[in-house]
Amino acid sequence: SAVISQKPSRDICQRGTSLTIQCQVDSQVTMMFWYRQQPGQSLTLIATANQGSEATYESGFVIDKFPISRPNLTFSTLTVSNMSPEDSSIYLCSAEGQGNTGELFFGEGSRLTVL
Amino acid sequence: QKEVEQNSGPLSVPEGAIASLNCTYSDRGSQSFFWYRQYSGKSPELIMFIYSNGDKEDGRFTAQLNKASQYVSLLIRDSQPSDSATYLCAGGGAWGNEKLTFGTGTRLTIIP
Repeated sequence: SAVISQKPSRDICQRGTSLTIQCQVDSQVTMMFWYRQQPGQSLTLIATANQGSEATYESGFVIDKFPISRPNLTFSTLTVSNMSPEDSSIYLCSAEGQGNTGELFFGEGSRLTVL
Repeated sequence: QKEVEQNSGPLSVPEGAIASLNCTYSDRGSQSFFWYRQYSGKSPELIMFIYSNGDKEDGRFTAQLNKASQYVSLLIRDSQPSDSATYLCAGGGAWGNEKLTFGTGTRLTIIP
């Protein structure tokens, strides 16, 4: 398994501001994934972050709104830009396990509330 | 568009009984399937994965896969109150090669 640390665990933000979420994995991983989970909903993939290349965004998510960095094989950041109340959600970082069996392990999540 | 559907729930099961959670998927190319458990306010944790048709057992948990019917299920035997959580089904491509698509989840409550 992979141990994934995320911070902040929660934050309350003002409309129009931006917040960066950090994700640290305890081992080197090729791909990291950022998910959003809105209240009572399942997980929606925002983007896939590979080291050394630009992140790949899913339909409905754009780089200007959710810029992602992946400077090395153990770390990634997701920025939620120009926030609005609709961005209030839990943001989850994930990475594949070491066994190459496709399963994902998740960080504890960052709960953002935008006022 | 790839979709993963789960029985909507919520599902209530008496303690000690078998809980049955079901999932169907639309993409015949999906190769790998995962069951996650998510306690309220916590992140998802992996319970089991299955790739081959048939049953896979791990303790009180059994995953079942039927690729012809595009159907995945999770059985929890001897249900315990600690099993009360939301269970997420996810489908993916070949090993490690594709992102996972998650279902909407089924909330399970075990009644003491």
